[in-house]
Amino acid sequence: DQQVKQNSPSLSVQEGRISILNCDYTNSMFDYFLWYKKYPAEGPTFLISISSIKDKNEDGRFTVFLNKSAKHLSLHIVPSQPGDSAVYFCAASADNDMRFGAGTRLTVKP
Amino acid sequence: DAGITQSPRYKITETGRQVTLMCHQTWSHSYMFWYRQDLGHGLRLIYYSAAADITDKGEVPDGYVVSRSKTENFPLTLESATRSQTSVYFCASSELMGLQVTQYFGPGTRLLVL
Repeated sequence: DQQVKQNSPSLSVQEGRISILNCDYTNSMFDYFLWYKKYPAEGPTFLISISSIKDKNEDGRFTVFLNKSAKHLSLHIVPSQPGDSAVYFCAASADNDMRFGAGTRLTVKP
Repeated sequence: DAGITQSPRYKITETGRQVTLMCHQTWSHSYMFWYRQDLGHGLRLIYYSAAADITDKGEVPDGYVVSRSKTENFPLTLESATRSQTSVYFCASSELMGLQVTQYFGPGTRLLVL
């Protein structure tokens, strides 16, 4: 029972363009959402988060959008850079429960 | 070095053997977590600990045992390893209560059970 889904296992974009990574969740009790970035042979590192009381959070080139009615969040990276190539996990939490999506592998081509 | 470390980084074992994966953090974070990462499943929580001597089950605890006698260490033991436990294991820690905070992950242990 995957409560957090990332339906695109991979995404390829050109350097300088926008990358949009999507995440859907099923549990309406989730009230905090995070994106983690993972390079090969390393642990995930925190990227950006958003509380359910907001619909947008921005940090430099990274923006997370939350649509509670659709139970959908997205991560926008503008402009994309080759160093952004990594696996991106979305995560959703409620009380003491945190669930991760399966990840999307982003490749940014020079 | 400051941070969170895991050992070993790679481990090959046989079905039925006991295996212990170590996790050590230097931040004195209260919370520590063990996840496994499998293709198509992302990260799934095995166990977590709110403080020394306090542990609780996560999403997939069966076949695993944890302990936390000291704040900085959180070992994960597979009492009788099975092939289905072949995975990449990540330890994480966080300083505040609850899961609505950033977790800091170790580099992972890649475990192969033959």
